[in-house]
Amino acid sequence: KNEVEQSPQNLTAQEGEFITINCSYSVGISALHWLQQHPGGGIVSLFMLSSGKKKHGRLIATINIQEKHSSLHITASHPRDSAVYICAVTRTGNQFYFGTGTSLTVIP
Amino acid sequence: NAGVTQTPKFQVLKTGQSMTLQCAQDMNHNSMYWYRQDPGMGLRLIYYSASEGTTDKGEVPNGYNVSRLNKREFSLRLESAAPSQTSVYFCASSGDRAQWEETQYFGPGTRLLVL
Repeated sequence: KNEVEQSPQNLTAQEGEFITINCSYSVGISALHWLQQHPGGGIVSLFMLSSGKKKHGRLIATINIQEKHSSLHITASHPRDSAVYICAVTRTGNQFYFGTGTSLTVIP
Repeated sequence: NAGVTQTPKFQVLKTGQSMTLQCAQDMNHNSMYWYRQDPGMGLRLIYYSASEGTTDKGEVPNGYNVSRLNKREFSLRLESAAPSQTSVYFCASSGDRAQWEETQYFGPGTRLLVL
């Protein structure tokens, strides 16, 4: 069983739609990370959070520690948002556990 | 400021051949990591180095060795490549805080094909 589960695995949206990607985890964590992997393969860190909510531009990340759940929201989606979004968690004194990613395609 | 760089970008090896993947960072980070990414499995940690002079095994270390040459450079060596090591390899680095609670910066990846 994977410690980190993401849903959906694949998502297609029309430009302008509001998008939600979910991440559930089964272990106690010290932080949760959202990463973006571009079609060319490069990986960029979007957010690191341990409580509450963070916002950067059109991206919003939330976490509920009690429910062991995080969501990544994209408002007013654009084709350039097309990428694989990866959730990862860290445990104090331990390492990263990665989800398998959500592949997002935004159609013009 | 190049961030994290990796060489080569792509490599084809025959079973049994050896090679070294190079990684360098110019952000003065203490911690560096090697991951592999396989379809449907997500990223998995091979080895990491919390600071210059130290290295530790990750989730999938078998078949690999690493060297933290200095603060900037962290190399990954395959002594005798196997088809199961066909993968995309990513190097990453992070700064001074508790290493697993710090944002990681990733290199562009190396695609390795072992025939």
